[in-house]
Amino acid sequence: RKEVEQDPGPFNVPEGATVAFNCTYSNSASQSFFWYRQDCRKEPKLLMSVYSSGNEDGRFTAQLNRASQYISLLIRDSKLSDSATYLCVPFSGGYQKVTFGTGTKLQVIP
Amino acid sequence: DGGITQSPKYLFRKEGQNVTLSCEQNLNHDAMYWYRQDPGQGLRLIYYSQIVNDFQKGDIAEGYSVSREKKESFPLTVTSAQKNPTAFYLCASSSNTGGTYEQYFGPGTRLTVT
Repeated sequence: RKEVEQDPGPFNVPEGATVAFNCTYSNSASQSFFWYRQDCRKEPKLLMSVYSSGNEDGRFTAQLNRASQYISLLIRDSKLSDSATYLCVPFSGGYQKVTFGTGTKLQVIP
Repeated sequence: DGGITQSPKYLFRKEGQNVTLSCEQNLNHDAMYWYRQDPGQGLRLIYYSQIVNDFQKGDIAEGYSVSREKKESFPLTVTSAQKNPTAFYLCASSSNTGGTYEQYFGPGTRLTVT
């Protein structure tokens, strides 16, 4: 099993829709999770950090399911500006190397 | 303004030449990282450094070298031994302030070798 697995998409959704995508991880020692968004030909930018069962920031909600080893990202009321690739990063502590998921591409359509 | 800077944004080199990519941060972060991203691919770790004068190989270190003489700086040299050097190179840094270790990225350097 890969360390991090994400459905590459693309997820094509209309403006205003709710969309969710999952990230599965293999290391059960992962304590925290980061979601990044990456726009085309740009650097990844931190969207959200998850240190417990979940986190919510405005229209974005992350939920962690430790038993099944996946974390989901839910985006409500999608905006055109949400179009990007979303990268998942499980983290098990310290300055050790992390593995980025290959990302899920979201395209919000007018 | 605090942040991570990478220069140049675009770099063109001839095959067989070594090239050094710059990465500087003024966030006072302890750790710094270099990643490579190929079109349609994820990020792959080249090297990382947790502290000055120390660094570790990542998953794809062959053909690359780094140094960490100052906390603020972590330059990456792409040597002629790297077989497919054309890629998007991203530098990141992180700190354990508050027990968090999120990585923050610079804007990247696009290297094209012909």
